[in-house]
Amino acid sequence: EADIYQTPRYLVIGTGKKITLECSQTMGHDKMYWYQQDPGMELHLIHYSYGVNSTEKGDLSSESTVSRIRTEHFPLTLESARPSHTSQYLCASSGGAGVSYEQYFGPGTRLTVT
Amino acid sequence: KNQVEQSPQSLIILEGKNCTLQCNYTVSPFSNLRWYKQDTGRGPVSLTIMTFSENTKSNGRYTATLDADTKQSSLHITASQLSDSASYICVVSDRGSTLGRLYFGRGTQLTVWP
Repeated sequence: EADIYQTPRYLVIGTGKKITLECSQTMGHDKMYWYQQDPGMELHLIHYSYGVNSTEKGDLSSESTVSRIRTEHFPLTLESARPSHTSQYLCASSGGAGVSYEQYFGPGTRLTVT
Repeated sequence: KNQVEQSPQSLIILEGKNCTLQCNYTVSPFSNLRWYKQDTGRGPVSLTIMTFSENTKSNGRYTATLDADTKQSSLHITASQLSDSASYICVVSDRGSTLGRLYFGRGTQLTVWP
């Protein structure tokens, strides 16, 4: 089992609140990712990081922001939550080189904005 | 447009039976193809990963095949168990960037009945 953790697992919050979803990994991986997944739909990459102080936006436009101050930590922040942000957020990491690197996923955070 | 299509969308089988899930992709250039298992409310867990030179790869009761010429893959599950109930996601990686961009299918929802 991969050593990648996400907290909280479930979050129900009101519109306009600021939230931070936590993601940590203990594998020393340099690459980390945030995906958004709606029920029955594919995962969409919203942010990724090659290493400390490196962050990039993914394919799906997102109002969230991320930071990578430490290798093991990759938090995602929503400054003002809206109902359209309701979704499952999955964090992943990888440390391999070459084309066959493996991505390990955390258990996800199910966010509901009322 | 790079896409990954999976079929069927959902499948119900009886415990002990075999089943085969399909994946067609148009991703180019092709790097590797992965199959993930995602239990409800959890993050995806890797089952197999295959590069273009590999035709078959097994992981216990799971056997994946790849035909890079026709851009098709299948995941065969033998002697299904109740714990096999999950979503099975086909993921294809390209070689277009250092990141190795991943393209996700929407998954096949498998339900195993006793």
